[in-house]
Amino acid sequence: EDQVTQSPEALRLQEGESSSLNCSYTVSGLRGLFWYRQDPGKGPEFLFTLYSAGEEKEKERLKATLTKKESFLHITAPKPEDSATYLCAVQGNTDKLIFGTGTRLQVFP
Amino acid sequence: EPEVTQTPSHQVTQMGQEVILRCVPISNHLYFYWYRQILGQKVEFLVSFYNNEISEKSEIFDDQFSVERPDGSNFTLKIRSTKLEDSAMYFCAFPRGESYEQYFGPGTRLTVT
Repeated sequence: EDQVTQSPEALRLQEGESSSLNCSYTVSGLRGLFWYRQDPGKGPEFLFTLYSAGEEKEKERLKATLTKKESFLHITAPKPEDSATYLCAVQGNTDKLIFGTGTRLQVFP
Repeated sequence: EPEVTQTPSHQVTQMGQEVILRCVPISNHLYFYWYRQILGQKVEFLVSFYNNEISEKSEIFDDQFSVERPDGSNFTLKIRSTKLEDSAMYFCAFPRGESYEQYFGPGTRLTVT
């Protein structure tokens, strides 16, 4: 069964304190692994797509990496505005996205 | 301008009532998806819709649910007889470009009392 597990569930960081979020997955025929940001009461906002092991993508303070079993979202020198829930999702043999429960990130000034 | 709008933004309904949620993209799409997110839980796939037909549906998408494209510009999700457990955020999503990522609408919060 296709599955996504994210850790930690919640993460509190001081502004400027870098860290990483983990997404472990099992899927039949990975077409893509996706990272989204979700603010309270809003829809998921697309961040990155990773297609194959070894691939990396960067956007501002965020960098996503992918191996055959997991993905990491590295946050470098976070700011309070980076506070949100970060969602990981995979797409296998069909179009549907299978989401993890997310990591709730809080960055304090 | 947002890529897609969803209406209403919040709907409160009584158990057993029918609700229709609407999604209007700014451009035409053949593919469309509906997801839901119960408060505090993960985003869950409901149904995918391609060229006016359901292409895949989840176990959640039972006979109480239906999807339509009543005209070329909007998509609807209907719940025929709502239950308390249908209370959730409902998101529509669509692919953009040649890759597989899906872009989500702002959502409709459905509260069943």
